[in-house]
Amino acid sequence: EAGVAQSPRYKIIEKRQSVAFWCNPISGHATLYWYQQILGQGPKLLIQFQNNGVVDDSQLPKDRFSAERLKGVDSTLKIQPAKLEDSAVYLCASSLARGSNEKLFFGSGTQLSVL
Amino acid sequence: GENVEQHPSTLSVQEGDSAVIKCTYSDSASNYFPWYKQELGKGPQLIIDIRSNVGEKKDQRIAVTLNKTAKHFSLHITETQPEDSAVYFCADQGGSEKLVFGKGTKLTVNP
Repeated sequence: EAGVAQSPRYKIIEKRQSVAFWCNPISGHATLYWYQQILGQGPKLLIQFQNNGVVDDSQLPKDRFSAERLKGVDSTLKIQPAKLEDSAVYLCASSLARGSNEKLFFGSGTQLSVL
Repeated sequence: GENVEQHPSTLSVQEGDSAVIKCTYSDSASNYFPWYKQELGKGPQLIIDIRSNVGEKKDQRIAVTLNKTAKHFSLHITETQPEDSAVYFCADQGGSEKLVFGKGTKLTVNP
């Protein structure tokens, strides 16, 4: 079974530039998550989708971050404009369904460096 | 979950020894407690989980214990091997269904 695919693996940009990350979840997984992992910390949820609808985006900095999941499969996360503090690994995860005890499967992440 | 405290932040053991990582949580509604292993350059991978109606779960060399009264849970790795070296994260899921992660423990197993 193919895992969660993410691209690119690495991205280096200057502050105030824009960047986009792409995620393809495991086939058949209805729920998709974007996490931000700052160096030395645990992943922090940015946004959660159930099919193509947003379930939770309470920790997404909406003035600069946006995400979409068209057709309920692939998803993109965008940052515009980027700040230095956005340097982190952006992890995409998926689960079969939404709810308690659902196992999350993570991709390898995109490492973003903002200079 | 609301907040998860994890310790120690780093742990170094000799191959063959046991390793224990502990987490405490604050949300009384938390009912699911997974543990993830993250190797360098990879995403976290689920290694074991426990639900609130169970006190202990074991899978080969890995075990997790849960004390709901004290609101803490622990990961136990026995007979450690160099390939166990990684960063381990605990997490809990409470009434909001959101998974909240600890800050991680960097485990080093010395050959």
